[in-house]
Amino acid sequence: SQQGEEDPQALSIQEGENATMNCSYKTSINNLQWYRQNSGRGLVHLILIRSNEREKHSGRLRVTLDTSKKSSSLLITASRAADTASYFCATDADSSYKLIFGSGTRLLVRP
Amino acid sequence: DAGITQSPRYKITETGRQVTLMCHQTWSHSYMFWYRQDLGHGLRLIYYSAAADITDKGEVPDGYVVSRSKTENFPLTLESATRSQTSVYFCASSLAGQGRGEKLFFGSGTQLSVL
Repeated sequence: SQQGEEDPQALSIQEGENATMNCSYKTSINNLQWYRQNSGRGLVHLILIRSNEREKHSGRLRVTLDTSKKSSSLLITASRAADTASYFCATDADSSYKLIFGSGTRLLVRP
Repeated sequence: DAGITQSPRYKITETGRQVTLMCHQTWSHSYMFWYRQDLGHGLRLIYYSAAADITDKGEVPDGYVVSRSKTENFPLTLESATRSQTSVYFCASSLAGQGRGEKLFFGSGTQLSVL
């Protein structure tokens, strides 16, 4: 069963616009991570936010976490064509060793 | 950098055949994982290993076998391949267990087709 569910499933924006993806999960977590997957490649870690953090930044990435709503969002500012990829959230549940991935958001950035 | 490599990149096999997917990492990471990726399911954990000679089941272990005789290698074997095992398989590694907030490093994947 999936812990994280991303929304939307697909997103198409113009270069320079911001892209926002959301992730909802079901159970308490220790951490939430975001990964990017370029077509035909493995996943690459982007950012980790811990359950006691509300917001985190890394370059053009901004992640928020709302544990009361069991949700997280990933914002990519000033998007570029190279940001075209699938983005996945992953959670490690409070009492579990496992990192559970959602089904991902496919982002297309049009030049 | 070499990091984590998977082989083969593509594999076509027939139902009932045994298939082994290879995974090798050069970082001396303790933990290694096998995931499968299917449309609509995201990534699902098949097996993981905390160290050499220590392995455990994930979400979808049925039909798969793993071993870890050396820290750097973590092969995944499909004992008798079925069509439902057609998927993209990813190997990953991390310094420590996933529950400790460690990020995963992924290989490029093996695309397996079972005919």
